[in-house]
Amino acid sequence: KAGVTQTPRYLIKTRGQQVTLSCSPISGHRSVSWYQQTPGQGLQFLFEYFSETQRNKGNFPGRFSGRQFSNSRSEMNVSTLELGDSALYLCASSLGQGIFDGYTFGSGTRLTVV
Amino acid sequence: AQSVTQLGSHVSVSEGALVLLRCNYSSSVPPYLFWYVQYPNQGLQLLLKYTSAATLVKGINGFEAEFKKSETSFHLTKPSAHMSDAAEYFCAVSDANAGNMLTFGGGTRLMVKP
Repeated sequence: KAGVTQTPRYLIKTRGQQVTLSCSPISGHRSVSWYQQTPGQGLQFLFEYFSETQRNKGNFPGRFSGRQFSNSRSEMNVSTLELGDSALYLCASSLGQGIFDGYTFGSGTRLTVV
Repeated sequence: AQSVTQLGSHVSVSEGALVLLRCNYSSSVPPYLFWYVQYPNQGLQLLLKYTSAATLVKGINGFEAEFKKSETSFHLTKPSAHMSDAAEYFCAVSDANAGNMLTFGGGTRLMVKP
């Protein structure tokens, strides 16, 4: 079956702009989470969505937001980009019910802010 | 709050040698534990997971890990390293209090010498 698909793979934006990243989870998976990966801070949790509702949120400023659609696809948005937002953004999906058995990750979107 | 410590940001072994990557965690309730591998410019691939069943967990590519509650450890091992094992490895924890949020260790880069 198809894996987690993230688009685009690479993105270059200018400081102050906004960006939207997209994630299509594995078919049947209803939970989608987003993580930011940087060399300095490592992997950090952004938020999790389940059935179109944000279920959990990490410690990021309000410039970072997300949403989930009825087909479980998710988008995350970063407004007023800063240089420090340059990172690999990873999306992950899981069934989202019962015992947590881990996530399947996408290949990520590499965002560079200049 | 959960936390994960991976001892050794870089580990170097010879091809054919034992691989041992260390992970210690803290969790106030029984944890779920995971090892993920990341190849360059890729997302995270699940190697194995512990979700309160058998304490010795076998994963893909010949890797295994043992959950030791008394030591709060979940070290990853492989009897014989292969060149293709060179990658970055991440240990992660979640628990019932954290919902489906993963807390990652800082990662260990494994280098395999011919």
